[in-house]
Amino acid sequence: DIQMTQSPSSVSASVGDRVTITCRASQGINSWLAWYQQKPGKAPKLLIYAATSLRSGVPSRFSGSGSGTDFTLTISSLQPEDFATYYCQQANSFPPTFGPGTKVDIK
Amino acid sequence: QVQLQESGPGLVKPSETLSLTCTVSGGSISSYYWTWIRQTPGKGLEWIGYMHYSGSTDYNPSLKSRVTISLDTSRNQFSLKLSSVTAADTAVYYCARVVSYCSSSACSWFDPWGQGTLVTVSS
Repeated sequence: DIQMTQSPSSVSASVGDRVTITCRASQGINSWLAWYQQKPGKAPKLLIYAATSLRSGVPSRFSGSGSGTDFTLTISSLQPEDFATYYCQQANSFPPTFGPGTKVDIK
Repeated sequence: QVQLQESGPGLVKPSETLSLTCTVSGGSISSYYWTWIRQTPGKGLEWIGYMHYSGSTDYNPSLKSRVTISLDTSRNQFSLKLSSVTAADTAVYYCARVVSYCSSSACSWFDPWGQGTLVTVSS
C-alpha cells in the first residue's frame, strides 16, 4: 500500500492567517490526490481533487498544488468555519489510502 | 443532489457479522461506483471496498477475507457485511459515492459521504 504522511499533525492559527498543510506519498502518485475537510462529528467533505482542482462550491481561498510525491493544501485567509481536520487521499494505486490528518485549531 | 444515509446495529458481538445498509436518495444507484470507508482514532480513515451496479467489486486486501459489499437496485441501497468481527473493527462506518471509477488498479475520490454510523464490537 502507498503510505501517506501529513505535516504538521496540528497547527494553531488565527482568523486571516495563511495556512499550508503538506502531504507526502511513499511513492509517486502523479496528480492522483484529493483533500478532505472534516469537522467534529461530521463526515469528511471533498475539497480538492486531482491535486489542484477545486470542488464546485468550495471557497476559492482553498487551493492545492503538487505532483509526484509532494503536495500542499493552502488556505489563503483562514475563516472561522475552516477550523477542522484535513486529510489527503491518494487515488493512484489500489487500495486508496488516506493521510493521518492535520488539525487546524484556533490560536 | 445525492444524499447517503447509513443504517444498522450500533452494537455487534465479537465473532459475529457486522451488517450495514446505505440508502441513496436524489439519484440512482445504477450509476457510479459505491464504497464503504471506516474511521477509528487509532488507524484513521481506512477504505473497505467498492461495488458497481454491473457487479464489479473489490476489497481492501487487509479485509478481503471478511468483507462483502452488495447492491439492491430495487431499493436504491447498498450493503456491507464484515464477518468475524473483533474489537479492532469498532469504528465509524461511512458509505460514499466514488466520483469517477474504481477498479482493482485504483479508485478515485469520494463525494458525497453519508453522515456515518458508529459500530461498537463488544460482548
